[in-house]
Amino acid sequence: QVQLVQSGAEVKRPGSSVKVSCKASGGTFSNFGISWVRQAPGQGLEWMGGIVPIFGPAGYARKFHGRVTITADESTNIAYMELTSLRSEDTAVYYCARGGFSGGPLDYWGQGTLVAVSS
Amino acid sequence: QSVLTQPPSASGTPGQRVTISCSGGSSNIGSNTVTWYKQVPGTAPKLLIYSSDQRPSGVPDRFSGSKSGTSGSLAISGLQSEDEAKYYCAAWDDSLSGVVFGGGTKLTVL
Repeated sequence: QVQLVQSGAEVKRPGSSVKVSCKASGGTFSNFGISWVRQAPGQGLEWMGGIVPIFGPAGYARKFHGRVTITADESTNIAYMELTSLRSEDTAVYYCARGGFSGGPLDYWGQGTLVAVSS
Repeated sequence: QSVLTQPPSASGTPGQRVTISCSGGSSNIGSNTVTWYKQVPGTAPKLLIYSSDQRPSGVPDRFSGSKSGTSGSLAISGLQSEDEAKYYCAAWDDSLSGVVFGGGTKLTVL
């Protein structure tokens, strides 16, 4: 059974950056890839981008282009999502999930990481 | 404003059948399959239906999905109290080169 375990909650200042990790166990994401999805308080789901390591570089939603970087370390089975130039509107729960990129379902999800941006 | 359109709410009584719609366009549902997720407040979403009409193992056959043209649909038969949750549809969008979601439908079991 695949499990995705994410890093803990973060409180950040506006203008700073955050890097959230997602460790996979019980399987790899090399072939399926990893997507990052965020959910602002009381809002819906928003896909930020994803990566399939065997296919190459990550792809990003246009809204986040230039601010988000998704990477994956196949040797440790850990994926990362870094978001820069944080603003209050980035306050959300960030989820990693296996799959998604290029159309596959998001079949396993991490527990979510709350990132709060506040001065 | 979500790319895929879902009704904000739906409801039914125990044992009833409810349907949730998801409307998109030619670049998403019209050319790709529909996925459905269930989210209980405070928890991560869970995969419910993939490839428009396939259920992952462990999902009861009370849940079924379909797709026609640029719309998808989730049906829940034999409604139970534990079905109360928010349901999201999603699809790959060829124009945006990304996953797009519906705004979610809150299902209330009366």
